[in-house]
Amino acid sequence: NAGVTQTPKFQVLKTGQSMTLQCAQDMNHNSMYWYRQDPGMGLRLIYYSASEGTTDKGEVPNGYNVSRLNKREFSLRLESAAPSQTSVYFCASVGRIYEQYFGPGTRLTVT
Amino acid sequence: SQKIEQNSEALNIQEGKTATLTCNYTNYSPAYLQWYRQDPGRGPVFLLLIRENEKEKRKERLKVTFDTTLKQSLFHITASQPADSATYLCALSRGNSGYSTLTFGKGTMLLVSP
Repeated sequence: NAGVTQTPKFQVLKTGQSMTLQCAQDMNHNSMYWYRQDPGMGLRLIYYSASEGTTDKGEVPNGYNVSRLNKREFSLRLESAAPSQTSVYFCASVGRIYEQYFGPGTRLTVT
Repeated sequence: SQKIEQNSEALNIQEGKTATLTCNYTNYSPAYLQWYRQDPGRGPVFLLLIRENEKEKRKERLKVTFDTTLKQSLFHITASQPADSATYLCALSRGNSGYSTLTFGKGTMLLVSP
């Protein structure tokens, strides 16, 4: 079992560029999440998908879109990147007792 | 507004001692509380979950308590080892029953010296 995988591991974008962060899980979990983690701010929820076919906004959704492609995959898209989106992005899936399994993260820098 | 507080200062202890980390919250009535470990450059790893009707949970050298009256959880690591050095995050369920999203605290760094 690979658990939760994320690509890419690192990315540098210029302001205004777009990109998609990919996430996949092989644990047959229904729910998947996207967080961002900034120094001094902790983990903040961007979007989540409680089940295949549904997505909902979290605490900080502005500037992002998501797609739950199938049960395994949940992608996060930045349409027009801004320096304020420089962060570490984590994807997670939710287990049977509501525990969350996190991916290794994507470190994004927007210049 | 809802708030989770973890000690922002690092906790330094000696190997073999018990580490105790605190998570306080306000304006929540969580159905459950979770603790995670995060190493530098890696994603958080789930450690323990405790429900609102449970006072204490143990797993190997780890113990979590949950006091819904004080609105506080304590996380203990007994016989601590240098390998326990990491940042520990507490997380509360936003809802008061069943499945819900989590709100994470900012974490406390634990440093265990040999």
